[in-house]
Amino acid sequence: EAGVVQSPRYKIIEKKQPVAFWCNPISGHNTLYWYRQNLGQGPELLIRYENEEAVDDSQLPKDRFSAERLKGVDSTLKIQPAELGDSAVYLCASRKGGQGHNEQFFGPGTRLTVL
Amino acid sequence: DQQVKQNSPSLSVQEGRISILNCDYTNSMFDYFLWYKKYPAEGPTFLISISSIKDKNEDGRFTVFLNKSAKHLSLHIVPSQPGDSAVYFCAATGGTSYGKLTFGQGTILTVHP
Repeated sequence: EAGVVQSPRYKIIEKKQPVAFWCNPISGHNTLYWYRQNLGQGPELLIRYENEEAVDDSQLPKDRFSAERLKGVDSTLKIQPAELGDSAVYLCASRKGGQGHNEQFFGPGTRLTVL
Repeated sequence: DQQVKQNSPSLSVQEGRISILNCDYTNSMFDYFLWYKKYPAEGPTFLISISSIKDKNEDGRFTVFLNKSAKHLSLHIVPSQPGDSAVYFCAATGGTSYGKLTFGQGTILTVHP
């Protein structure tokens, strides 16, 4: 079974430029998460999807960040415009969903550097 | 408001010895706890978990202990191996946070041959 796929793995951009990250979760996993991990910290949730519905986006900076999961499968996270402080690793995770399935499975992440 | 804390940024142990990684939490609604391991340039990998109805869960060389009254959990690795060298994160979920994981800051474990 394939794991969570993310692309690109690395991205270097100048500030004020747009950037997008893509994630394909594990097949059959209804719940998809985007996390941001700053250096020396644990992952912090940005947004959670149940199928195509965003059920928790309280931590997403909506002035510059947007996300979509149109068909309830793969997802895209966008930043426009990027700021220096957005440099971090962006992780996508998926979970089977439903009671008793608490484990989340993570992709390798996209390391974003904003110059 | 750091609801999950790992107060030791790093831990160094000798191969074959026990590694003990600690984690504290403040939210009494958390009822499920997980440990993840992360190698450089990879995403976190699920290691072991425990429900609040238990106080111990064991999987091979890895054992997680939960002390609900102290709001404390620990991960024991016995015996430690050089391949265990990684960053270890504890995470918690439950109550109004069901479906969402709250992570600690991580502990860098180094196992010396």
